[in-house]
Amino acid sequence: DIQMTQSPSSLSASVGDRVTITCRASQSISNYLNWYQQKPGKAPKLLIYAASSLQSGVPSRFSGSGSGTDFTLTISSLQPEDFATYYCQQSYRTFGPGTKVDIK
Amino acid sequence: QVQLVQSGAEVKKPGASVKVSCKASGYTFSSYAVHWVRQAPGQRLEWMGWINAGNGNTKYSQKFQGKVTITRDTSANTAYMEVSSLRSEDTAVYYCARFWPLGTAFDIWGQGTMVSVSS
Repeated sequence: DIQMTQSPSSLSASVGDRVTITCRASQSISNYLNWYQQKPGKAPKLLIYAASSLQSGVPSRFSGSGSGTDFTLTISSLQPEDFATYYCQQSYRTFGPGTKVDIK
Repeated sequence: QVQLVQSGAEVKKPGASVKVSCKASGYTFSSYAVHWVRQAPGQRLEWMGWINAGNGNTKYSQKFQGKVTITRDTSANTAYMEVSSLRSEDTAVYYCARFWPLGTAFDIWGQGTMVSVSS
């Protein structure tokens, strides 16, 4: 099975900061990489699919890049509502361990 | 609107089974696969398996093979996920999600069902 890792596991940032989260696959997954945002007590929400495509209705401050084994999620200007945990997912299967984003 | 609505929280004793439902609305149920994902307290999301809502074919994660059964009722636009031989380690929130083939991603999620296993 393909393993997914994320870094960092958590971070604290200020409103307006640029935030980057990294996801790595144990073998090449082409661009079959999705990003989800999950707030406490809520279901995950799809942000980015196919590594770099923005899901409809998601603010443009979110962007994704990468292919093969290394991927990044970037929030260009962090907003208070972005406090959440972010998960990457390989295709429809394995999720990464998550990155918790705290607002300073 | 397009949504998945799951059944309510359950409390079960070890060794029992639980069946969670996921009712779809706002789209053609049989045109999309439904996947199940669980999240134990403080843990990552874990993919369990899926069902082709059209033909009923299923596929399970190796970890859950023999432990989980996914079914659907097209007349009720509902998918079901049954977990057998419950143990305390099965305490988790269980989510259903619609698979969006164009994006190879889960675009619609149910609200989650908390299953607690305790003696």
